[in-house]
Amino acid sequence: LAKTTQPISMDSYEGQEVNITCSHNNIATNDYITWYQQFPSQGPRFIIQGYKTKVTNEVASLFIPADRKSSTLSLPRVSLSDTAVYYCLVARYSSASKIIFGSGTRLSIRP
Amino acid sequence: DGGITQSPKYLFRKEGQNVTLSCEQNLNHDAMYWYRQDPGQGLRLIYYSQIVNDFQKGDIAEGYSVSREKKESFPLTVTSAQKNPTAFYLCASKGGEAYGFTFGSGSWLSVV
Repeated sequence: LAKTTQPISMDSYEGQEVNITCSHNNIATNDYITWYQQFPSQGPRFIIQGYKTKVTNEVASLFIPADRKSSTLSLPRVSLSDTAVYYCLVARYSSASKIIFGSGTRLSIRP
Repeated sequence: DGGITQSPKYLFRKEGQNVTLSCEQNLNHDAMYWYRQDPGQGLRLIYYSQIVNDFQKGDIAEGYSVSREKKESFPLTVTSAQKNPTAFYLCASKGGEAYGFTFGSGSWLSVV
């Protein structure tokens, strides 16, 4: 199982770009990297997923270097509503197995 | 719409009582999971099931039990042996598609 390490918390301001990095040194060849967002008293929801290089969707970008030992979630022009906990998950999406979430990063956005 | 339904949203347990949290999915996913989340903390894996009639313990299975008699359903029983059950419980399912996990909206359990 790939263990993930993220910063416990981050602060930023509205309109700024926020980058959250996740370390996963023992990622396996067929593991994918997925990021989730969780608001209080709600289930986590999918943000973005990638395998290598860069992935972009309407809400975020995911940067993965060639060695895949880390990944960076980039949130452009954050707003107050982006205040949440963000989890990085490394898993083989095609198989069901014991999947462990890390502690997540608590992102606080200020006006 | 496909998704996961957890019930009840709020539940209170008395001392010595077993309570069961329901989790139903209509996503046709084979794998289902239960996580516990304490206030301000991350998710900890209780049990998971890869297929009907089979399940495995996660990291904190003591005091909990599950069953998987149907593909759609994965109920979690919090037994009286779980001395500190107050937490937010999340059920998830996982298919083979790219998005991975789908989570339910969670259930709060408190001891009275």
